[in-house]
Amino acid sequence: AQSVSQHNHHVILSEAASLELGCNYSYGGTVNLFWYVQYPGQHLQLLLKYFSGDPLVKGIKGFEAEFIKSKFSFNLRKPSVQWSDTAEYFCAVNARNAGNMLTFGGGTRLMVKP
Amino acid sequence: DVKVTQSSRYLVKRTGEKVFLECVQDMDHENMFWYRQDPGLGLRLIYFSYDVKMKEKGDIPEGYSVSREKKERFSLILESASTNQTSMYLCASSLSSASSGNTIYFGEGSWLTVV
Repeated sequence: AQSVSQHNHHVILSEAASLELGCNYSYGGTVNLFWYVQYPGQHLQLLLKYFSGDPLVKGIKGFEAEFIKSKFSFNLRKPSVQWSDTAEYFCAVNARNAGNMLTFGGGTRLMVKP
Repeated sequence: DVKVTQSSRYLVKRTGEKVFLECVQDMDHENMFWYRQDPGLGLRLIYFSYDVKMKEKGDIPEGYSVSREKKERFSLILESASTNQTSMYLCASSLSSASSGNTIYFGEGSWLTVV
């Protein structure tokens, strides 16, 4: 079975700081990788996803993530955060042979100070 | 836009009560899911359904059951609510397997408190 670890539970940054949220998964086979975001009081939204091809994936709102297969990682990055990026971020993994099932990490709460 | 609607945003129930959480999606999606979200644990899959009347257990099905009588509706049932089921419950749907490139869409969540 696959599992997903997000190392930082809480991150506090000032506006314009750079962001990197770690995500590691454990599964030896082929995977699809996702980052979801949940803004306060809103539903989960897809930020970006990786299925194949270029391991550097661009998402919405200036976010990107890099799939490093050798490290089983899919870290989320943004060069300059804004106050509006305050949210909870979830990494998720779908093993190709696991059908419909997504496994989520524990989430990282990001607070951006204005 | 895909819309996943959960009928109750906030519920308070007593221990031992039967609880129904309803979810409706309007995009003819085959797959529907129920997750619970707890601080530090992320989202954990309770049950999912890939077709009408079909259901599969997720990671934490104990204490829950589901019903999918119509394609657009997926209900989560707590037969006898307990305090450790106090949580945020999220319904989701997708067109087909996530592994084929289709996004999973989430509802706004139902906050359930069991007292």
